[in-house]
Amino acid sequence: KAGVTQTPRYLIKTRGQQVTLSCSPISGHRSVSWYQQTPGQGLQFLFEYFSETQRNKGNFPGRFSGRQFSNSRSEMNVSTLELGDSALYLCASRPAPGQGREQYFGPGTRLTVT
Amino acid sequence: SQQGEEDPQALSIQEGENATMNCSYKTSINNLQWYRQNSGRGLVHLILIRSNEREKHSGRLRVTLDTSKKSSSLLITASRAADTASYFCATDAVNTGNQFYFGTGTSLTVIP
Repeated sequence: KAGVTQTPRYLIKTRGQQVTLSCSPISGHRSVSWYQQTPGQGLQFLFEYFSETQRNKGNFPGRFSGRQFSNSRSEMNVSTLELGDSALYLCASRPAPGQGREQYFGPGTRLTVT
Repeated sequence: SQQGEEDPQALSIQEGENATMNCSYKTSINNLQWYRQNSGRGLVHLILIRSNEREKHSGRLRVTLDTSKKSSSLLITASRAADTASYFCATDAVNTGNQFYFGTGTSLTVIP
């Protein structure tokens, strides 16, 4: 099976702009989670989608949003970008939420905000 | 924050030596998982230990879990240069809808 793919891999944006990142999960996986990774804060959970519904949401401002499509692909959007949004954004998939379910991570999208 | 913490933050050892890293967490868990991340890339799942297990082995990896102390340790035996990476623990906390909480990570350097 193909792994989790994320596009684009690298992105440079300017403060105030918005950005959309895409994630395609492993075939058959219906749960997609998003994480933000920065040197100072480590891995922070953004949100999880399952069957097109947001199940959980981390402690991020409303500028961060996401959605999931019927084919389980997911997008996350960040509006009005700030310098502090520069980070590695990781997407992870699993068959479904539930105990004992490991997550499979994509390579990440490196976002730089200037 | 329910995020766990790894200790030490950084570890440097010689090839062939054993590496031990620890994880502490704050809430009751369903299971705890360890992941590896090579420089700036995605995470790779290493091993999962359930809350009712105390020890688990997988190849050169040994994981222990002490739920009374809310802590876990990861032991890598006979380390190799290829083990150089960051290691994270992730807790599947009870009553959070199986949301994962990642620790702060241990950066391991294995010197050939």
